[in-house]
Amino acid sequence: GAVVSQHPSWVICKSGTSVKIECRSLDFQATTMFWYRQFPKQSLMLMATSNEGSKATYEQGVEKDKFLINHASLTLSTLTVTSAHPEDSSFYICSAPNEESGGAAEQYFGPGTRLTVT
Amino acid sequence: QKEVEQDPGPLSVPEGAIVSLNCTYSNSAFQYFMWYRQYSRKGPELLMYTYSSGNKEDGRFTAQVDKSSKYISLFIRDSQPSDSATYLCAMSGNTGGFKTIFGAGTRLFVKA
Repeated sequence: GAVVSQHPSWVICKSGTSVKIECRSLDFQATTMFWYRQFPKQSLMLMATSNEGSKATYEQGVEKDKFLINHASLTLSTLTVTSAHPEDSSFYICSAPNEESGGAAEQYFGPGTRLTVT
Repeated sequence: QKEVEQDPGPLSVPEGAIVSLNCTYSNSAFQYFMWYRQYSRKGPELLMYTYSSGNKEDGRFTAQVDKSSKYISLFIRDSQPSDSATYLCAMSGNTGGFKTIFGAGTRLFVKA
């Protein structure tokens, strides 16, 4: 199956600093990627849709100035958590649909990034 | 009402049991119905998907979709301890740019 990588897998940062998380589709191109947030024992909450060549689309309640998304190429999207606070601590996961085969159904997830803000 | 409802469990079964996991949904525009498995502190892994109504079988796993009832199921036969994970149902439509809505996930424990 298709592979999506995320980096870093785990990061600790101090309150007030910014953290960048990368999401890469390794063996396919993705004009769209999704960013999710997951709290312990809860489901995935869609934060935003990352679109190559255009602005990201944010879900209601997600601060676009706090969670900056850049879809730099057909295989790379980045999420930057700006001025991080302890309440931003969470598990962040990206996904990319394999648009060449299935699209809406075949989404491939990265392994996730665990962010801890102290 | 949430678009997708899924009992979070936990569900505990003995090894070898048949497991039935279910979701209901409210949006009749959904066309793709997926099941993902997620181990602790890992990203979700796509198990299988079904387009529109019907059944699909893959090894010990069978997915069923009943669009008339807006109800989907995942059956696991001969369950193994390695099947212990959280199972998330997910749905998407033909529009919306592949946007997917997830259920809450059901935590499954298979005891040896």
